[in-house]
Amino acid sequence: SAVISQKPSRDICQRGTSLTIQCQVDSQVTMMFWYRQQPGQSLTLIATANQGSEATYESGFVIDKFPISRPNLTFSTLTVSNMSPEDSSIYLCSVDWTGGVSTNYGYTFGSGTRLTVV
Amino acid sequence: GENVEQHPSTLSVQEGDSAVIKCTYSDSASNYFPWYKQELGKGPQLIIDIRSNVGEKKDQRIAVTLNKTAKHFSLHITETQPEDSAVYFCAASTGGYQKVTFGTGTKLQVIP
Repeated sequence: SAVISQKPSRDICQRGTSLTIQCQVDSQVTMMFWYRQQPGQSLTLIATANQGSEATYESGFVIDKFPISRPNLTFSTLTVSNMSPEDSSIYLCSVDWTGGVSTNYGYTFGSGTRLTVV
Repeated sequence: GENVEQHPSTLSVQEGDSAVIKCTYSDSASNYFPWYKQELGKGPQLIIDIRSNVGEKKDQRIAVTLNKTAKHFSLHITETQPEDSAVYFCAASTGGYQKVTFGTGTKLQVIP
């Protein structure tokens, strides 16, 4: 499976500021996914990022709040903008590692970014 | 959209016993069902998956079964060990670069 490096691993931020989370993959992947996991909860998809096109956002998530970049096949960023304490969560990057074949090989996750907004 | 329900939310077993976690899904088009283990402070780790053309899959102490007619699938862990203690998530997807919908998670505690 692909190996994902996610940075930062954790951060404490002031409300009203923004944080950019980076996701680097050691293989070229078609799709990258950003998830949010609130404390003690399941994973909720924020958006899907395809290289060369705008990200597709799930209901309840908007580009102004969570802008995403996908400049190439191995890298993506998620920005959490104008943060409030409600944004305190773990943010996770995931990839659909296909190894060049159009079938699922399994979804791999980064270790996550634990964000606390004060 | 897809909806995945998972039970139980918490499960305590004695070391050496078996643990079973059950999930149901709503979208009959789903054809890929992964299971993830998440340890404290870490991202989910894929432990086993099953595709819709298979009814059962085993990997050492872990097995997954799938009943497409009933739209449910289960994770079976035999001979549980303390290091199996974690939160387990089931998930479903239609595959082909499509998103994965997660269940609500099961916190498994293996008591030594």
